Order: sequence, then structure tokens, then C-alpha cells
Amino acid sequence: GAVVSQHPSWVICKSGTSVKIECRSLDFQATTMFWYRQFPKQSLMLMATSNEGSKATYEQGVEKDKFLINHASLTLSTLTVTSAHPEDSSFYICSVGGIDSPLHFGNGTRLTVT
Amino acid sequence: QKEVEQDPGPLSVPEGAIVSLNCTYSNSAFQYFMWYRQYSRKGPELLMYTYSSGNKEDGRFTAQVDKSSKYISLFIRDSQPSDSATYLCAMTPFGNEKLTFGTGTRLTIIP
Repeated sequence: GAVVSQHPSWVICKSGTSVKIECRSLDFQATTMFWYRQFPKQSLMLMATSNEGSKATYEQGVEKDKFLINHASLTLSTLTVTSAHPEDSSFYICSVGGIDSPLHFGNGTRLTVT
Repeated sequence: QKEVEQDPGPLSVPEGAIVSLNCTYSNSAFQYFMWYRQYSRKGPELLMYTYSSGNKEDGRFTAQVDKSSKYISLFIRDSQPSDSATYLCAMTPFGNEKLTFGTGTRLTIIP
């Protein structure tokens, strides 16, 4: 199965700054990656589907101008949280899966905005 | 009504016990069913992956899917303290499409 590397594992930033999170598929060329968000003691909520070479597809209620997704290669997708605010503090997780294979998840990035 | 319902727990059982975790769902289009284990501050780890109805066993873990009842289960035999985690069920109409998750059940195995 796919092995997913996510970086950084945690980051603290000041309000108003931007933060970039990387998701790499180590074993698999992924045309599609998924970005999830998880608040404490809650389940994962899909934010967007990252598509290699084209625009990401965002779920309803997710601001695409705030959460910029770039999927420039088959092994790398990035999520940039722009002009971060304390309410953006959360656990962000990416996932990768192949055709007819289940999704594997990265170890997540804990973002704290002060 | 949520698409996927899962008892959030918490659930505490003694070491060595059999654990039963369950999810129900409403969308009959779901064909692929997964169980993930998530430790605190970590990403979900895939435990079991099944297609359509039936049973699947992997070591101490058994996954069951009953599509007629829209009900899935995960059984853990000979539970260990290291099994203490949150268990998430997830499902999708297609194998690599975006998943719909349950809320997760927090499990504690007491030594």
C-alpha cells in the first residue's frame, strides 16, 4: 500500500501569516490526494480533493482562497493556510489511495495559530 | 440523520477481552468499508479493508459487513493495552474515492 509522508508534524505561527503543509506519496504515483481536517475529539472532515495538474475540488463551506492547494507532481501535494487565524488551529491530514485500493493517511500536521 | 453512525464511547474493557465495535449507515451506494485506528496526535492507520458483504480476518481482527442491514463490525480478540486508541469506520462507493467517516469510538484496554 501507499506510504504517505506529511511535513511538518507540528507548526506554530502568528495570526496573519501563512503556513505550508506538504504531503508526499512515497510508494505510489497519486493523481489524487485528499486533505482532511480534524478538531479535538471529532472525526475527520474532508476539506478538498487535490488533483494533479488541475484545480483542487473543495467541499462545501471550505474557502478555496484561504486553503490553497497545489498538486504539481504525482508525488507531492501542498496545502497552504493563508492569513491564518486562531480558529484555523486544527489537525490537518492528507491521504493517498490507488485505483481499487484504500486510502492511507499521513501522520498529520498540528497547526497552532497564536 | 448522519450518513454513518458510530457510538463514540468511551469504551473500556479488561485486557484479553473481545471487543466489538460497530457502525451503521444509510447510503446503500457504499461498497467499500474500512476500519482505521488512530492514536492520539497521529494520522489514522488502516486496519481492515473489505468490499461488499462478508467477513475478513487478519490476526486478532475480524471485520464483518452486512449490507442488507447496513451494518458493519470490527471484532478485536485477545485485546491488548496497545489496542487503546480511537477506532474509525469509513466507507465509500468506490475504493479510492473520498471517505465518509463515523465519529470514532475511543477504546481503552485496562491491563
